[in-house]
Order: sequence, then structure tokens, then C-alpha cells
Amino acid sequence: GEDVEQSLFLSVREGDSSVINCTYTDSSSTYLYWYKQEPGAGLQLLTYIFSNMDMKQDQRLTVLLNKKDKHLSLRIADTQTGDSAIYFCAESYTGTASKLTFGTGTRLQVTL
Amino acid sequence: KAGVTQTPRYLIKTRGQQVTLSCSPISGHRSVSWYQQTPGQGLQFLFEYFSETQRNKGNFPGRFSGRQFSNSRSEMNVSTLELGDSALYLCASSWTIKTYNEQFFGPGTRLTVL
Repeated sequence: GEDVEQSLFLSVREGDSSVINCTYTDSSSTYLYWYKQEPGAGLQLLTYIFSNMDMKQDQRLTVLLNKKDKHLSLRIADTQTGDSAIYFCAESYTGTASKLTFGTGTRLQVTL
Repeated sequence: KAGVTQTPRYLIKTRGQQVTLSCSPISGHRSVSWYQQTPGQGLQFLFEYFSETQRNKGNFPGRFSGRQFSNSRSEMNVSTLELGDSALYLCASSWTIKTYNEQFFGPGTRLTVL
């Protein structure tokens, strides 16, 4: 079945690293994504990882995938106040790559 | 290159009415997907259209319908509105549907049902 879970809230200080976690139950997921949503805005794709990868780094973002535990994480280095937003992980499958199943979302608050 | 546009941005309706939301994808994109976002249920997939054909459908009642035109623009319709239909409706466009390709989301239409 499709079920993607995230913790609801994370607070970090500016300059620290943030780690947002996500667990999923469907091992046949092919693509896993991280989206960012700022207030009053749509969703912005931050990064994605294929299920045959363990890690992907993109500037300040590092995605780690543990397929055995069905665990996905997003690390944001040197977190800035502009990173304050809701972060969603999502999954999709080969053949239906445009149909996304989203997690519950994690609200990241960055304090000075 | 213009992004995904959705109209209207805000809408207020009363129970029992029907509503039509519009989505214009990025030029050249042939796939349009719709999502409903509510505080209680989160982001849920409604349906996806590619080349004027519905390719995937989420678990929503038949009151929710959509279509796609030959220019890839899409509309979704909700009939006999219920209070629980109050939500942010997001559409996303992409070039294709089967292999990975980035989906670009519009800003959404916020529907309030009174």
C-alpha cells in the first residue's frame, strides 16, 4: 500500500544543519522526491533520487535513501531563514511517474 | 518561459453549487495532473491527463471530473459541492508521464465552500 510518513515539525537555528525524515511502505517506489512549499505558494521540486541510488548531493542538499528500512532523509546544510517552509517527500512508480504520493509534510522553522 | 498558471486563484462557493477550475501547463508540456491539498488529508492525487486522455485517477467520488483540451490546457469540475471540498487545488504539468521528468506546480486555486 501507499503510505508516506513524516514528522510534523522541526526547529533549527540559522547556520545549523536540518535533517528531515520520511518513511514509506511501498518498496516498489521507483522515484523519491523532496518538495518545498512556502506560504501561499505551490510546490517546488528541490531534488529527487532514483530507488537504485543511496545518496545524492546537490549544493546544500543531501538526500539519503535506506531501502532496507524504507527511509528517506533530506539534509540541508547551513540552514537559512529562507529555508523556512513545509517540506514534503513524495514517491512515484515506473509507468506512472507523474502520479505522486505525498508525505504528510514537515514544517521547518529556522530561528535566529 | 511562463510557468503553470491556474485560474481563478481564489473562489468562494456555497454547498450544492458546482465549480470549474482551469490550468494552463507550461508550453510544450502534454501531461497535467491535479491534486487536492487539505489540512486533514494532506496532498492527494485527483487525476492525470495526457494527450486529452485520463491516464490515472485517484480515490475521489465521481463528483470530481476533469478534461484536457488539444492545447493541453486542463479543467477540473466539482459538482454538488460539499463543505469538505474546501481545499487548495494544485495542478502540475510535465512533458511526459512514464519516465521521470520534473513536474512543475502552479500556485493553486483556493476553493472555499460555505
